[in-house]
Amino acid sequence: GAVVSQHPSWVICKSGTSVKIECRSLDFQATTMFWYRQFPKQSLMLMATSNEGSKATYEQGVEKDKFLINHASLTLSTLTVTSAHPEDSSFYICSARDLPGLGGETQYFGPGTRLLVL
Amino acid sequence: QQQVKQSPQSLIVQKGGISIINCAYENTAFDYFPWYQQFPGKGPALLIAIRPDVSEKKEGRFTISFNKSAKQFSLHIMDSQPGDSATYFCAASDTGRRALTFGSGTRLQVQP
Repeated sequence: GAVVSQHPSWVICKSGTSVKIECRSLDFQATTMFWYRQFPKQSLMLMATSNEGSKATYEQGVEKDKFLINHASLTLSTLTVTSAHPEDSSFYICSARDLPGLGGETQYFGPGTRLLVL
Repeated sequence: QQQVKQSPQSLIVQKGGISIINCAYENTAFDYFPWYQQFPGKGPALLIAIRPDVSEKKEGRFTISFNKSAKQFSLHIMDSQPGDSATYFCAASDTGRRALTFGSGTRLQVQP
């Protein structure tokens, strides 16, 4: 089955630093990847939609200058949390969608990245 | 317009029983309705999904029932097992936007 990986799985950083999270589709190509944030015991909230080779589309209320997204290839998208603060501490999850025509509505989720900002 | 409402918030079922989780949506443009299972500290895993052209879909112990006129869909877990204890999310998307809108989640506990 389709596998999506994320790296790192855990990251602890100091307030004011930047953190990069990678999302990779391992056995399929994904023109579209999505980034979600999940706070404890809450649902997944979409942050942005990432399309290969173009600028990401951010959801209302998500600061694009704070959460930088790059989708440089069909198998890799990165999320960089810039100048992280304690309120950015959360569980960040990416998902990847098949190419159209290959059952391309299914989203496969990564295992998530736990970010703790001290 | 994008909201998906899910109930109950939590559910306790005895082993071998049927677990039922319900969702309702408002956006008539939604045309894809998946259910995801999530264990603590893990990403969601797709369980089963349905499109509005069918009223029911079954895969093993999991069944989705879909009522287009009522804009509701539900997940039934037959013969519930302790290993099914997890949080379940319904979701919906439309062909144009493609991103998933998630329900609030249901924490299922199956007691042995």
